[in-house]
Amino acid sequence: QKEVEQNSGPLSVPEGAIASLNCTYSDRGSQSFFWYRQYSGKSPELIMFIYSNGDKEDGRFTAQLNKASQYVSLLIRDSQPSDSATYLCAVRPGGYNKLIFGAGTRLAVHP
Amino acid sequence: KAGVTQTPRYLIKTRGQQVTLSCSPISGHRSVSWYQQTPGQGLQFLFEYFSETQRNKGNFPGRFSGRQFSNSRSEMNVSTLELGDSALYLCASSLGTGVTDTQYFGPGTRLTVL
Repeated sequence: QKEVEQNSGPLSVPEGAIASLNCTYSDRGSQSFFWYRQYSGKSPELIMFIYSNGDKEDGRFTAQLNKASQYVSLLIRDSQPSDSATYLCAVRPGGYNKLIFGAGTRLAVHP
Repeated sequence: KAGVTQTPRYLIKTRGQQVTLSCSPISGHRSVSWYQQTPGQGLQFLFEYFSETQRNKGNFPGRFSGRQFSNSRSEMNVSTLELGDSALYLCASSLGTGVTDTQYFGPGTRLTVL
């Protein structure tokens, strides 16, 4: 079992729709959770971080964390073609300042 | 505030050579982490430095090493390059090592080993 799992996609959504990206992790001691966006040929860009159970909203983005289910998700409302990118879920294991990344989900928003 | 900078941006080396990559963190950030990104393995953690000390190390051979200077700038070195070392090497900095400290990535150094 991989430490951090994501569907590779591609996830295709129409412009204006809600895109839902999911991530599961195996280490119950994980403390904080991050979503990065990576455009082709570029480096990862931080979108959201969350470390408490529940929802965290920032503009069109909402991160959701359920530690009991070991599940993190990212919702993108009013998806735009410019949101088309690979979304990387990253988990910080307990006691370590390092990130374990999932393989990423490729999102395609079509007009 | 300037972001994380990495030099050089592109490198071409041949097998058996060694290479040194440099990273300057965001001003005030004291923790620097290095990652390797390849199409097959994705983003993998190499090592992390804080206050000139390596605090965490990923599952990479000893050919991969690094260091951090007193001004928090960091370098990583790969000796005896192999074809499989071709990758995007990313440096990330964070303010500290707390649970809520977020890592910000530099643009990366793309290394090609021929």
